Amino acid sequence: NAGVTQTPKFQVLKTGQSMTLQCAQDMNHEYMSWYRQDPGMGLRLIHYSVGAGITDQGEVPNGYNVSRSTTEDFPLRLLSAAPSQTSVYFCASSYSGRIQETQYFGPGTRLLVL
Amino acid sequence: AQSVTQLGSHVSVSEGALVLLRCNYSSSVPPYLFWYVQYPNQGLQLLLKYTTGATLVKGINGFEAEFKKSETSFHLTKPSAHMSDAAEYFCAVSDSSYSSASKIIFGSGTRLSIRP
Repeated sequence: NAGVTQTPKFQVLKTGQSMTLQCAQDMNHEYMSWYRQDPGMGLRLIHYSVGAGITDQGEVPNGYNVSRSTTEDFPLRLLSAAPSQTSVYFCASSYSGRIQETQYFGPGTRLLVL
Repeated sequence: AQSVTQLGSHVSVSEGALVLLRCNYSSSVPPYLFWYVQYPNQGLQLLLKYTTGATLVKGINGFEAEFKKSETSFHLTKPSAHMSDAAEYFCAVSDSSYSSASKIIFGSGTRLSIRP
């Protein structure tokens, strides 16, 4: 198993550009989520999904879109990048999303918006 | 509302010394509590978790944590630090009335450095 994979590892964008951060898992997990990590603020939930075709907003969803067309993939889209979106982005997954389950995290995507 | 506070953004200990990373939480109902470790340029990895039952929880790599309801604390300890323990550690909490992992709140993190 590759676990949770994320691409790209690093990206530089100009303000106003759009891009998609890719996340995939090969563990047949129903629950997937996106977090952003900022210095001194821990991880904050952006969006999550409890299964294909089902997504919901987390704590900081503004400026981001998601979709879940397959169990394996959960891309995060930045429609018009802003400097405030400079951050490290982590994708995570767990079997069904129950709180007692272990979440598996990807290696992260480091995004710089100029 | 639930919240979590990690005391000390940076902790430095000597190799072989006791590691103590502090975490206090706020929750109106019995909490679920977690400790995660993040090595440089990697994602988070679960160290241990408390859901119900025994208040002393043992995790991977020799770490353990004790849930103390009266002190609203869930401090992480390891008797003897190893150089490989250098990483960032995150405490997380969730209200046990929720069932979804989407309700987990993360602390701001503590960076652990190990001196030779």
